[in-house]
Amino acid sequence: NAGVTQTPKFQVLKTGQSMTLQCAQDMNHNSMYWYRQDPGMGLRLIYYSASEGTTDKGEVPNGYNVSRLNKREFSLRLESAAPSQTSVYFCASSGGGTSTGTEAFFGQGTRLTVV
Amino acid sequence: DAKTTQPPSMDCAEGRAANLPCNHSTISGNEYVYWYRQIHSQGPQYIIHGLKNNETNEMASLIITEDRKSSTLILPHATLRDTAVYYCIVRVGTGTASKLTFGTGTRLQVTL
Repeated sequence: NAGVTQTPKFQVLKTGQSMTLQCAQDMNHNSMYWYRQDPGMGLRLIYYSASEGTTDKGEVPNGYNVSRLNKREFSLRLESAAPSQTSVYFCASSGGGTSTGTEAFFGQGTRLTVV
Repeated sequence: DAKTTQPPSMDCAEGRAANLPCNHSTISGNEYVYWYRQIHSQGPQYIIHGLKNNETNEMASLIITEDRKSSTLILPHATLRDTAVYYCIVRVGTGTASKLTFGTGTRLQVTL
């Protein structure tokens, strides 16, 4: 049981390049999330997926796209990377359902630098 | 969305109880209070959550005031490994769309 797995762990991009951050969970959770964390700051929600086939914008969605490929996988794509997107990206999943009392599990993060 | 207010930093001596306060005066009746912590730059780790009753698990205790406008996370015997940023979060939304909105948290430093 690996929990939430993110790949890659580290990435350096040049401005304008594109890339996809991968996230997979093996806990059969309904909901998945992408957050970013800038130095000295709390986590900010980029996009989330309440269930397979649905996605919604979070607090800071500009410059990103997401795909909920299936129940296990939720990817985050940067189409044209900018230095302002240098950050640590965390994926999370939670059971969801009709109760809000379900904890979320986080991956270990992808450290992205855009030069 | 209910917001939370936490002190930016706190110190605690190893072996003593760490009491971390959180204010959430605009919380709604069906919103839960969650606590997470983040050690170094690792992914946040769930600690505990509650609605209106006090809760305890193997990691911590959560005390929620009767009016639900504030809560306190208690680490009963803090160790150096408890040094981390602690986030108090009110979970917004209902059903499968409920989200976690993070603030800046409290940086707890446990010292010898």
